[in-house]
Amino acid sequence: DQQVKQNSPSLSVQEGRISILNCDYTNSMFDYFLWYKKYPAEGPTFLISISSIKDKNEDGRFTVFLNKSAKHLSLHIVPSQPGDSAVYFCAALKRTASYDKVIFGPGTSLSVIP
Amino acid sequence: NAGVTQTPKFRVLKTGQSMTLLCAQDMNHEYMYWYRQDPGMGLRLIHYSVGEGTTAKGEVPDGYNVSRLKKQNFLLGLESAAPSQTSVYFCASTRSGRTYTGELFFGEGSRLTVL
Repeated sequence: DQQVKQNSPSLSVQEGRISILNCDYTNSMFDYFLWYKKYPAEGPTFLISISSIKDKNEDGRFTVFLNKSAKHLSLHIVPSQPGDSAVYFCAALKRTASYDKVIFGPGTSLSVIP
Repeated sequence: NAGVTQTPKFRVLKTGQSMTLLCAQDMNHEYMYWYRQDPGMGLRLIHYSVGEGTTAKGEVPDGYNVSRLKKQNFLLGLESAAPSQTSVYFCASTRSGRTYTGELFFGEGSRLTVL
């Protein structure tokens, strides 16, 4: 049972336009939501996060929006650049008694076309 | 500034062979993790460690063993490799504590093929 879902395996966007990557989750008990970026042959790198008590977090060209009632979050990249072409993983953090559990979605491959 | 280093980067095994993946981090992190990445399934946690000498099972631990004899190293072992273990393996580490907000530091990955 996938707790973090990314229903779009891929997305293509023109350079300079907005990229919107979507993520849905099933568990209301997550404490933080995160986005990771992964280039081929590299490990994922942390991009941006948002606390479950917030509805927006912005960092430069990247903004994450959280809609708790819909159990949905999205990552907006404006303007999109060719270097943004990568796989983006949505993830959720749940604190437990034993450790802080991070659950990943399956990823969305973004292609930014020059 | 190495961060998290995994060795080897690539390996091909025959069914039934054994091997060990080594993960080393130089950030003095308490927590270390082993994930596997398969197409369409994201990253799934195999085993984790919350400190030197302690390990625990993640969501897909079967067929793997781990050890954390030193704080900076986390070893993942396959005693008898199976084709289903063909995957890309990622090690990650992070600091502990209530200020932790989910930022993991990953190695570059180890691609394992089991024939």
